[in-house]
Amino acid sequence: DVVMTQSPLSLPVTLGQPASISCRSSQSLVHSDGNTYLNWFQQRPGQSPRRLIYKVSNRDSGVPDRFSGSGSGTDFTLKISRVEAEDVGVYYCMQGTHWPLLTFGGGTKVEIK
Amino acid sequence: QVQLVQSGAEVKKPGASVKVSCKASGYTFTSYGISWVRQAPGQGLEWMGWISAYNGNTNYAQKLQGRVTMTTDTSTSTAYMELRSLRSDDTAVYYCARDEWEPRPGLFDYWGQGTLVTVSS
Repeated sequence: DVVMTQSPLSLPVTLGQPASISCRSSQSLVHSDGNTYLNWFQQRPGQSPRRLIYKVSNRDSGVPDRFSGSGSGTDFTLKISRVEAEDVGVYYCMQGTHWPLLTFGGGTKVEIK
Repeated sequence: QVQLVQSGAEVKKPGASVKVSCKASGYTFTSYGISWVRQAPGQGLEWMGWISAYNGNTNYAQKLQGRVTMTTDTSTSTAYMELRSLRSDDTAVYYCARDEWEPRPGLFDYWGQGTLVTVSS
């Protein structure tokens, strides 16, 4: 299976400051069709996951533009330019390239300092 | 608007079976598939499997092969996930998520509210 490794596990951030989450895969996530199927999800406390970013850098409708995704190959990053209180929660990366062996990262908990 | 509404919480004894439903609305059900994802208490997300609502094709995570069955009822736009021979480590919140109709990298663009399944003697 493709192992997705996120860091850090926990990320205390001051309101208004930037935050960055890393996601590394054990194999390249470049699909045979040329796309890279790396998604990011946000799970607020007590809620279902919500997709924020698909195919590395495409923001979903309604997602604030302070969220951005980047990366290639095996190394990916989710950035929040200025953290707001509503951004508290756990963030997961997920690879779909190696379907049906879909795998999620272990999660990064974002909290306010 | 797209909605996935799941059935209510369940408490089961070890060895029993559970069947969770996921009713879709706001889109053409047979143009997509459904993936099921579970989350043990305080843990991360685990993909369980996928079913195409277009043709009923399925693909299950290897660790659940033989214990899980996913089905759809296109007349009611509802997907089902049945898990048998329940163990205590199956205690989790089970989510359905909209996915592709064909076997390709997942969508996961809409999620159900989750169904807590507790396995306890």
